[in-house]
Amino acid sequence: DVVMTQSPLSLPVTLGQPASFSCRSSHSLVDSDGNTYLNWFQQRPGQSPRRLIYKVSNRDSGVPDRFSGSGSGTDFTLKISRVEADDVGLYYCMQGTHWPLTFGGGTKVEIK
Amino acid sequence: QVQLVQSGVEVKQPGASVKVACKASGYTFTTFGISWVRQAPGQGLEWMGWISGKNGETNHAWKFHDRITMTTDASTTTAYMELRSLRSDDTAIYYCARDEKKYGGNSGYFDLWGRGTPVTVSS
Repeated sequence: DVVMTQSPLSLPVTLGQPASFSCRSSHSLVDSDGNTYLNWFQQRPGQSPRRLIYKVSNRDSGVPDRFSGSGSGTDFTLKISRVEADDVGLYYCMQGTHWPLTFGGGTKVEIK
Repeated sequence: QVQLVQSGVEVKQPGASVKVACKASGYTFTTFGISWVRQAPGQGLEWMGWISGKNGETNHAWKFHDRITMTTDASTTTAYMELRSLRSDDTAIYYCARDEKKYGGNSGYFDLWGRGTPVTVSS
C-alpha cells in the first residue's frame, strides 16, 4: 500500500499568520492517465471531512482562497496564507492514484 | 439539495453484522459511485471500498475482502455497506462519500460526504 506521511503531527499557529502542511507519499502519485490524484481534506471537531483541494492544486467551490495546494510526484504541500479561528481541526491528505486509496495520518491545527 | 443522508446509530455484538445505508439526493445517482470510509475513535480515516452507482462494480481494500458487501438500489438512490463478523476494533464512525470511477478503479473524488453512522461493537 502507498504510505502517506504527513508532518507535522500538530501545528500551533497564531491567528493571521501563515501555516504549511507537508504530505509525502511512498510512491509517485502520477497516474497513467496523467492526473495526480492527491486531495486535501479538513475535518473540524465533530464534523465530517470536507474536501478543500483536489488533484494537488484545485480549490473546491466555497473554499477561501487563503487555502492553496501545490506539489508533484511524492511531495505535496497545503498552505493557509492567514490562519483564522475557523481553521482549527485536522487536515488529511489522501491519494487516489493507487489501490487501495490511502490517507495520511493528519495534521492537527490549533490556535496558540 | 445535493446531499448524502446516512442511517442512524448502530450497536452490535461481536460476531454480528451491520448494514449502513446512504441515501443520495440532488444529483444523478448513476453518474457517480459511493465510497465507504471509516474513522475509529480518535483515529484517522480509512478507505474501505467503492461501488459504482451505474453498474454495481465494486472495489475494496483487501483487509475487508471476506467481510464487506456493498450494494446499491438505483430506484431509491441508496447505497448500502454491510460488514460481517464484527469485532470490537470495528467500532467507528462509518462515512459514505461521493466518488468517481477512473481507469482501474475509483479516484477518491470525495467531494460530498454523509454525516457518518456511529457503529459500536460491544458485548
